[in-house]
Amino acid sequence: DTAVSQTPKYLVTQMGNDKSIKCEQNLGHDTMYWYKQDSKKFLKIMFSYNNKELIINETVPNRFSPKSPDKAHLNLHINSLELGDSAVYFCASSQDEVPGNEQFFGPGTRLTVL
Amino acid sequence: AQSVTQLGSHVSVSEGALVLLRCNYSSSVPPYLFWYVQYPNQGLQLLLKYTSAATLVKGINGFEAEFKKSETSFHLTKPSAHMSDAAEYFCAVSPNTGGFKTIFGAGTRLFVKA
Repeated sequence: DTAVSQTPKYLVTQMGNDKSIKCEQNLGHDTMYWYKQDSKKFLKIMFSYNNKELIINETVPNRFSPKSPDKAHLNLHINSLELGDSAVYFCASSQDEVPGNEQFFGPGTRLTVL
Repeated sequence: AQSVTQLGSHVSVSEGALVLLRCNYSSSVPPYLFWYVQYPNQGLQLLLKYTSAATLVKGINGFEAEFKKSETSFHLTKPSAHMSDAAEYFCAVSPNTGGFKTIFGAGTRLFVKA
């Protein structure tokens, strides 16, 4: 049973398109995250939700819009895709927002913008 | 502000040799510290974490790390490297007072030579 799953695993699209990445966790966790990992493997947090409420919103272009329909799902919609959006996007979850809790990561979605 | 620095973007060891991956943190109070491992084309998974219970922390796959407050370090070691240890390793810090954002280091790629 996959704990944190993401779809799709690979996404190739043209500049200017709009795309979505879906994330689901079956761990019963309260907090979910989106991270962006660039080509140099640098991992940067984008958003965090706790019980469907946005708690972290880093300096991310407003073309990126997260949506949490329930606490088990956190989707990421990206408008007007740009070349610089090419990266691997990871979804993660943790028990709650208490510091020190382990984060569980999904397998990643490799986004390539042409 | 909290930060974490991993010394060396690449480390190469021979199979059976000692593995030492370095991590230094910056924090006004002892934070929570983590080591995560990322195998190729996979998400991150927790190796071990420090939560002030003990300064020497044992993790999975024979890895351990020692918290040294005087040196603000949390280096990861394994006595004998195995080929399967080849991966990207991330040190991370999470504050224990206010704010819940986990900051990841830039990562260290471990190569294991036969």
